[in-house]
Amino acid sequence: DQQVKQNSPSLSVQEGRISILNCDYTNSMFDYFLWYKKYPAEGPTFLISISSIKDKNEDGRFTVFLNKSAKHLSLHIVPSQPGDSAVYFCAASVGQGNTPLVFGKGTRLSVIA
Amino acid sequence: DAEITQSPRHKITETGRQVTLACHQTWNHNNMFWYRQDLGHGLRLIHYSYGVQDTNKGEVSDGYSVSRSNTEDLPLTLESAASSQTSVYFCASSEAGDVSGELFFGEGSRLTVL
Repeated sequence: DQQVKQNSPSLSVQEGRISILNCDYTNSMFDYFLWYKKYPAEGPTFLISISSIKDKNEDGRFTVFLNKSAKHLSLHIVPSQPGDSAVYFCAASVGQGNTPLVFGKGTRLSVIA
Repeated sequence: DAEITQSPRHKITETGRQVTLACHQTWNHNNMFWYRQDLGHGLRLIHYSYGVQDTNKGEVSDGYSVSRSNTEDLPLTLESAASSQTSVYFCASSEAGDVSGELFFGEGSRLTVL
């Protein structure tokens, strides 16, 4: 049973517009959520995270929103740039980081110039 | 700069052969992990370790083993490689005290089993 779900395998957005990547989870024990970005032939790199005690975290062009009642989080990228084209993975952990991260299947974002 | 390195980056082997993928980190992290990435499956956990002599099975551990004899290294061994183990393998590490569990990944090892 998949605990972290990214239901959109791909997303295309025009340069300068907003990209919204969605993630749903089923385990109510998750207390930290992270987004990773992955370019081809490279390892994933950390992008932004949010604790379950918050509903929003912002870092420059990237904002993550958490809706605990809906077990849903989203990553907003504004404005989108061609360099943002990558695969984005949503991940979650339980127990103050004492368990390994559980990842979603990823969403491939293409930002079109 | 501290880093995490994987070797080899690319390997082709035959069914039934034993294969070992190396992972070495200089972050001095206690926690180390192996994930595999496959199309349609994302990143799935194979094995992980929270310190020397500690190893734990992940979601897809069958056919794989790890050993942790020091802090820096967590080699992943495929005892008898199968075509289903053709994948890209990522090693990662994290600080024991980091409540988020943020992982630092290596660049990956692409394994092809013929």
